[in-house]
Amino acid sequence: GDSVTQMEGPVTLSEEAFLTINCTYTATGYPSLFWYVQYPGEGLQLLLKATKADDKGSNKGFEATYRKETTSFHLEKGSVQVSDSAVYFCALSAFSGNTGKLIFGQGTTLQVKP
Amino acid sequence: EPEVTQTPSHQVTQMGQEVILRCVPISNHLYFYWYRQILGQKVEFLVSFYNNEISEKSEIFDDQFSVERPDGSNFTLKIRSTKLEDSAMYFCASRDRYQETQYFGPGTRLLVL
Repeated sequence: GDSVTQMEGPVTLSEEAFLTINCTYTATGYPSLFWYVQYPGEGLQLLLKATKADDKGSNKGFEATYRKETTSFHLEKGSVQVSDSAVYFCALSAFSGNTGKLIFGQGTTLQVKP
Repeated sequence: EPEVTQTPSHQVTQMGQEVILRCVPISNHLYFYWYRQILGQKVEFLVSFYNNEISEKSEIFDDQFSVERPDGSNFTLKIRSTKLEDSAMYFCASRDRYQETQYFGPGTRLLVL
């Protein structure tokens, strides 16, 4: 079945460092891809998305490009801040039977130190 | 900005008791979902609901679980007889007809003792 795999965490970076969180997927068809972020004590917030191959999603300095050839959707940010410390989830939308359920990766914890 | 709300934020219950988790989706949304996240694990799909019926459910969503949209605004998840392993954060989500993006509530943390 469809699945999402993320790099293991936690990822610990210093402020202003470059961030990459790897995400690969397995899916039949052409899913949409998402990054959600979960700040401490809060729910899931959509960070960015891409709906077709070669699309780039971006928001708040974060970017991810839908790469069909490598089945990847890696999250990047050029300069992280302490406030970016959170858990990041990669997900795909599997339109099986038109329900649109989300399938999530295991989450990657990012800790940014001042 | 419209948002999904959930109540209660925390619930503690005894094993074998029934619990009802409540959600108010965004008002013009038509597709509703429940997910759960056991501490330290990934977010897992439980059930999707559209047009007043379940459209898909996972293996986790057994006969102990049920969902209902009782009054056109609330969307509830009922666990009839809770088990220790039901302890988790439960998220409600909704989306509209035209977009795949799901909007999540803040979650209900359920602890079964």
